Amino acid sequence: SQQGEEDPQALSIQEGENATMNCSYKTSINNLQWYRQNSGRGLVHLILIRSNEREKHSGRLRVTLDTSKKSSSLLITASRAADTASYFCATDRGNTPLVFGKGTRLSVIA
Amino acid sequence: DAGITQSPRHKVTETGTPVTLRCHQTENHRYMYWYRQDPGHGLRLIHYSYGVKDTDKGEVSDGYSVSRSKTEDFLLTLESATSSQTSVYFCAISGTDGNQPQHFGDGTRLSIL
Repeated sequence: SQQGEEDPQALSIQEGENATMNCSYKTSINNLQWYRQNSGRGLVHLILIRSNEREKHSGRLRVTLDTSKKSSSLLITASRAADTASYFCATDRGNTPLVFGKGTRLSVIA
Repeated sequence: DAGITQSPRHKVTETGTPVTLRCHQTENHRYMYWYRQDPGHGLRLIHYSYGVKDTDKGEVSDGYSVSRSKTEDFLLTLESATSSQTSVYFCAISGTDGNQPQHFGDGTRLSIL
């Protein structure tokens, strides 16, 4: 069963705008990860955030985690056409395999 | 990029035939995973391995078997392929389970007619 659920399913924005994707999950977690998948390729890891962390940054990416609401958000600032991809969240409960959500398809229009 | 190679990259076969997909890594990672990706379902875990000859089932393991006789190779076998197993299959590796990133291959597109 899917642990994480991303929202929205699809998002279309103009280049230069910010993109926000959300992930909700059902049970307590140890870590939450975000991945990107370009068309026809495998997933690429973006950020890992631990359950005792609230926010992490990596370049133009900002991830927040609210364990009380069982949710996380991924913010991409100043989006570029190259950011067009599907984005997935994945959770683990400690010594368990990752469980992936169904993803958000982001289209950045130049 | 992490050294992960999936073979073949594309395969078309007929219902009822056996199919074996191979994942080869050069990173000496302990954990290896097989996923399938289907529209509307995201990525689902089929089987995974936490060492040579140590494997466990994932969410959608029925109809699939795996083997890992060497650290670097993880094989996924469909003993008798069915049309419902038409999918894109991804292999991933990680040093540990859960608290480290997984690194993915570029997938095998399998069509079963």
